[in-house]
Amino acid sequence: DQQVKQNSPSLSVQEGRISILNCDYTNSMFDYFLWYKKYPAEGPTFLISISSIKDKNEDGRFTVFLNKSAKHLSLHIVPSQPGDSAVYFCAASGDGTSYGKLTFGQGTILTVHP
Amino acid sequence: DVKVTQSSRYLVKRTGEKVFLECVQDMDHENMFWYRQDPGLGLRLIYFSYDVKMKEKGDIPEGYSVSREKKERFSLILESASTNQTSMYLCASSAPSRFSTDTQYFGPGTRLTVL
Repeated sequence: DQQVKQNSPSLSVQEGRISILNCDYTNSMFDYFLWYKKYPAEGPTFLISISSIKDKNEDGRFTVFLNKSAKHLSLHIVPSQPGDSAVYFCAASGDGTSYGKLTFGQGTILTVHP
Repeated sequence: DVKVTQSSRYLVKRTGEKVFLECVQDMDHENMFWYRQDPGLGLRLIYFSYDVKMKEKGDIPEGYSVSREKKERFSLILESASTNQTSMYLCASSAPSRFSTDTQYFGPGTRLTVL
């Protein structure tokens, strides 16, 4: 039972254009969502997050949008740069404990071409 | 600066061997996690610990056990390694939060190959 899904395994974008990565979830208990970025042979690094009480959060070139009614979130990267090429994971939390368990999606490989 | 370290970056073991993967964090975090990452499957939680000597099963605990004798150290044990445990293993830690808003910080990962 995949509670967090990233249905696009890969995305290819030209440098300077917008990258949009999508994520869907099924568990309505989730109240906090995160995006992580992972380069090969490295651990994931935190990118940006959003609480369920918001519908948008911005940090520089990165913006995350949350549509609670559709159980959908997206990460926008504008403008995209070759250094953004990595695997992007969305994750969700909110099981009511303080353990901070995250449920991850399958990941989307982003390739930004110069 | 936040730091999670893992004992090995690459490891090659034989089927049936007992394997220990070590993780150390220097952030005084209560919560620690072990994941495996496989292509197309994302990160799957194996075990986690919310305090010293406390452990909870994640989504795929079969074939694994864990040990947390000290707050900063969380070990993953493969009792009898099998080829289907060939994977990238990632350790993470976070501080506790009743609002589930604490970010997990990851180590660099251990690429384990079981022959």
